[in-house]
Amino acid sequence: DTGVSQDPRHKITKRGQNVTFRCDPISEHNRLYWYRQTLGQGPEFLTYFQNEAQLEKSRLLSDRFSAERPKGSFSTLEIQRTEQGDSAMYLCASSLWASGSGNEQFFGPGTRLTVL
Amino acid sequence: AQKVTQAQTEISVVEKEDVTLDCVYETRDTTYYLFWYKQPPSGELVFLIRRNSFDEQNEISGRYSWNFQKSTSSFNFTITASQVVDSAVYFCALSEADFGNEKLTFGTGTRLTIIP
Repeated sequence: DTGVSQDPRHKITKRGQNVTFRCDPISEHNRLYWYRQTLGQGPEFLTYFQNEAQLEKSRLLSDRFSAERPKGSFSTLEIQRTEQGDSAMYLCASSLWASGSGNEQFFGPGTRLTVL
Repeated sequence: AQKVTQAQTEISVVEKEDVTLDCVYETRDTTYYLFWYKQPPSGELVFLIRRNSFDEQNEISGRYSWNFQKSTSSFNFTITASQVVDSAVYFCALSEADFGNEKLTFGTGTRLTIIP
């Protein structure tokens, strides 16, 4: 199966440490999205890429967060100096955007981050 | 700003009963897309359906059906003859595609429990 994959699935870290997550989208998909989901809530948009270009960042994405998609394939999301409030599920999604709109996004299994 | 409201936090029904999940949305755009996703206990969001704002036809897929009414800004989801495997959290989401970013705005989800 060539769905969206994320690594690691779980990450426990101490406050103040840096963490990095990886997302591998569906191979032919040119768009990649990052979302964050906290307990009892729906996912919230963080940022997205079209190929290697990061086109929009949410106000939720503080300067401690950085995302890259260097070759337009996989993406990484790094959180520096983690805080307990960063504890959440980080979801990656990909879609094939052509000339149309409203393309469905396919989600990965997520990375659950716990900051102690 | 766009907003999605799922007023039902949790629903429990006995297996084989029909159940309807409500979704109300807000947007100022004339072109938008509505989605339903399922999040089973494993955590991965599974795409169920997409509907664009110009298509108000109801849709049926097996035991699932969707009712889109622009007049009431609602996009409700009905499961007929529910089964235990339908137990999950269901999210309604909205995408405004006017400026290219098709980020999804999710509701807070409805946790559906099917009792055997």
